[in-house]
Amino acid sequence: AQSVTQLDSQVPVFEEAPVELRCNYSSSVSVYLFWYVQYPNQGLQLLLKYLSGSTLVKGINGFEAEFNKSQTSFHLRKPSVHISDTAEYFCAVRGLNRDDKIIFGKGTRLHILP
Amino acid sequence: DTAVSQTPKYLVTQMGNDKSIKCEQNLGHDTMYWYKQDSKKFLKIMFSYNNKELIINETVPNRFSPKSPDKAHLNLHINSLELGDSAVYFCASSQPLLSGNEQYFGPGTRLTVT
Repeated sequence: AQSVTQLDSQVPVFEEAPVELRCNYSSSVSVYLFWYVQYPNQGLQLLLKYLSGSTLVKGINGFEAEFNKSQTSFHLRKPSVHISDTAEYFCAVRGLNRDDKIIFGKGTRLHILP
Repeated sequence: DTAVSQTPKYLVTQMGNDKSIKCEQNLGHDTMYWYKQDSKKFLKIMFSYNNKELIINETVPNRFSPKSPDKAHLNLHINSLELGDSAVYFCASSQPLLSGNEQYFGPGTRLTVT
């Protein structure tokens, strides 16, 4: 079974500053990793995903994440945030077996300060 | 065209009533899901259907009954509503998760039980 931990429930950051949202996972097998974003009063949408290959994954809206197998982490980064990035961010993990489910973290609220 | 749609967007009802939420996807996906998001934004899977067949049934009270008339639709019926059922319910769909495919979420239905 897999689990995922988002270490920060909320992260305040000034506009145009860089941000890192942390995600750690636990699994005894290889996994797929995802970051989803939920803007206020909307459903979730995919930011990026790691399946295999290059450990640096680029997503939409200038976000990127790095898969670190030894640290079992998949932290999300953006070099310069905008007010429009205000949202809830969810890290998710799934094993490679047929019956594995996607497990979501508890979310990190990104709060952009003017 | 909306990829995953849900109706209604808001639902306010009294305890003890029975209500349904409808979901439709036009992405041609084989798998559909229902999630419950509580007031703390925690996202929990409730059910998953693949080609009209129930494949995931988490520990959800049997007052909740999903129905899939065809693979493009997955409705959620809730009997004898309770205060604790108040939440946002999201429908989602995907191609087989085995290949690392992501889920596409609907806009959510905010259920308030008074």
